[in-house]
Amino acid sequence: AQKITQTQPGMFVQEKEAVTLDCTYDTSDQSYGLFWYKQPSSGEMIFLIYQGSYDEQNATEGRYSLNFQKARKSANLVISASQLGDSAMYFCAMRDFTGGKLIFGQGTELSVKP
Amino acid sequence: NAGVTQTPKFQVLKTGQSMTLQCAQDMNHNSMYWYRQDPGMGLRLIYYSASEGTTDKGEVPNGYNVSRLNKREFSLRLESAAPSQTSVYFCASRGTTSADTQYFGPGTRLTVL
Repeated sequence: AQKITQTQPGMFVQEKEAVTLDCTYDTSDQSYGLFWYKQPSSGEMIFLIYQGSYDEQNATEGRYSLNFQKARKSANLVISASQLGDSAMYFCAMRDFTGGKLIFGQGTELSVKP
Repeated sequence: NAGVTQTPKFQVLKTGQSMTLQCAQDMNHNSMYWYRQDPGMGLRLIYYSASEGTTDKGEVPNGYNVSRLNKREFSLRLESAAPSQTSVYFCASRGTTSADTQYFGPGTRLTVL
């Protein structure tokens, strides 16, 4: 069965510093997609970044990058130059290619300190 | 372009009452999904619809039914609400390319007393 594990329930980072949020996954599929979502205190789910299992380059989107290590089955999110507005829950998810449904980890709560 | 909309935003039910959560998307997406999020947890899939006219169970379907009314709309029904169904419910939709992500509605916060 597919599974996503986020082992950091909470993280603190100083404003303007970089932070890495960990995500490991388990799947027997060769083709899969990995996603990161941000959930601020207002509750909405905001898509941040996507990595396909066959993508050779690590995905980047502005201050977000995904450190994809396929052999280790890890897909860590790196946020550079943290801002106060980055304080939120962050969820890693894997897409099941049967129907395209997402399997989520339990999330990491990031707090950015001024 | 509203994306994914959900109604209502908040709802309080008594045990045994029924209700329908509505979801609509204007992105011409084929696939739609219903998730629930319990406190301190990630989202879990209840039901999904890969295309108009089809629905399938997800991880936690018990106590729920769904209807894919047309390509735009996907509703979730609780026939006899239970306190264990107190949760935040999210609807999402997705296009059809391999990189297409799921876009989520704002959520419905449901409390069952």
